[in-house]
Amino acid sequence: ILNVEQSPQSLHVQEGDSTNFTCSFPSSNFYALHWYRWETAKSPEALFVMTLNGDEKKKGRISATLNTKEGYSYLYIKGSQPEDSATYLCAFRGSGNTGKLIFGQGTTLQVKP
Amino acid sequence: NAGVTQTPKFQVLKTGQSMTLQCAQDMNHEYMSWYRQDPGMGLRLIHYSVGAGITDQGEVPNGYNVSRSTTEDFPLRLLSAAPSQTSVYFCASSTHRAYNSPLHFGNGTRLTVT
Repeated sequence: ILNVEQSPQSLHVQEGDSTNFTCSFPSSNFYALHWYRWETAKSPEALFVMTLNGDEKKKGRISATLNTKEGYSYLYIKGSQPEDSATYLCAFRGSGNTGKLIFGQGTTLQVKP
Repeated sequence: NAGVTQTPKFQVLKTGQSMTLQCAQDMNHEYMSWYRQDPGMGLRLIHYSVGAGITDQGEVPNGYNVSRSTTEDFPLRLLSAAPSQTSVYFCASSTHRAYNSPLHFGNGTRLTVT
């Protein structure tokens, strides 16, 4: 059973704070790590897909790093805004011929104005 | 461009009833999958398909069947609904077996089994 864990489970910050979350995944048989943003009453939307150890991706104020050797990825949000309030999901894809993309439980971020 | 379309949006079933959740995509994606979302448990993979005629089990397949007769459609069947299947169901598709391409999600189906 693949174990993908995210921490913290929830986070409350003030507008303007910078924050980061962690996604832990199996360090063996790695192929890809996805990050998604999920707003209430909407569907998850992709932020990043990362495949190489040391990868860094950036989209506006959001960035992510990847360490496949130790099995973790960080998602950073710089200068949080209320519109960043959402649940952030990571998903792990292992190598091999199976097509399973396994999600973590998510980190729910609430940004207070 | 419709993307991934799920129907119905809401459904109430009685224990023991059967039904099919529909999922269609118009992006010519090889990969399609079904997830269920329960409070505190994120998204759990039910079944997935890497192409027409090919399906496989995910993390929580019991009680559900799927088929993939065309590239566009990937229906999810509940053979005998149980209260434990009350959940929000998401269909998602991707190119390249979700290796390095992101998933595109439908809007979800909220199912209640009484």
